[in-house]
Amino acid sequence: AQRVTQPEKLLSVFKGAPVELKCNYSYSGSPELFWYVQYSRQRLQLLLRHISRESIKGFTADLNKGETSFHLKKPFAQEEDSAMYYCALSGLANNNDMRFGAGTRLTVKP
Amino acid sequence: GAGVSQSPSNKVTEKGKDVELRCDPISGHTALYWYRQSLGQGLEFLIYFQGNSAPDKSGLPSDRFSAERTGGSVSTLTIQRTQQEDSAVYLCASSLLRSMGGEQFFGPGTRLTVL
Repeated sequence: AQRVTQPEKLLSVFKGAPVELKCNYSYSGSPELFWYVQYSRQRLQLLLRHISRESIKGFTADLNKGETSFHLKKPFAQEEDSAMYYCALSGLANNNDMRFGAGTRLTVKP
Repeated sequence: GAGVSQSPSNKVTEKGKDVELRCDPISGHTALYWYRQSLGQGLEFLIYFQGNSAPDKSGLPSDRFSAERTGGSVSTLTIQRTQQEDSAVYLCASSLLRSMGGEQFFGPGTRLTVL
């Protein structure tokens, strides 16, 4: 079964502190992993995808197949990073269905 | 061009009534998805459409929920005999390619309140 787990519903850090949003997945095949973000009063939008291997707004995420994880990290959190973050998985084995985790609400305090 | 649009933006209905939610995807996008976003429940997959293929309805929570996509474009999500637990934000998304790496573009959502 295709499953995405985000163990933390809420995460709070101070500005300038490192932040890591956890994501674990289960999938019997080659997955494609994504992070989506929803800022207050804005639409849900793509933040980054693992195949791009890029850093967006200072965030990075590495796919660890051994640990089946795709944690989102940023070394120095900013107040504008406060948002709802969703980890998502898509894959060929399940006909490219996209499945989202339950989400983590990040609050960056001044 | 315009992004994904949804209507209405807000819908308040009485328990037991039927509601229809509409989604206009980005022109040319072959894949269309419906999700439900509930407080504390995250993003729940409901159904998706890909071109002329049979839709994947595996996420629909009950037979009161149904959706169709006419002409490969506009989609309507129908909830019959609404219940209070149906209250949520219903999101629609579309993507150009239903292949690996295909970014989904989301609409603003319809907030449904069942009294």
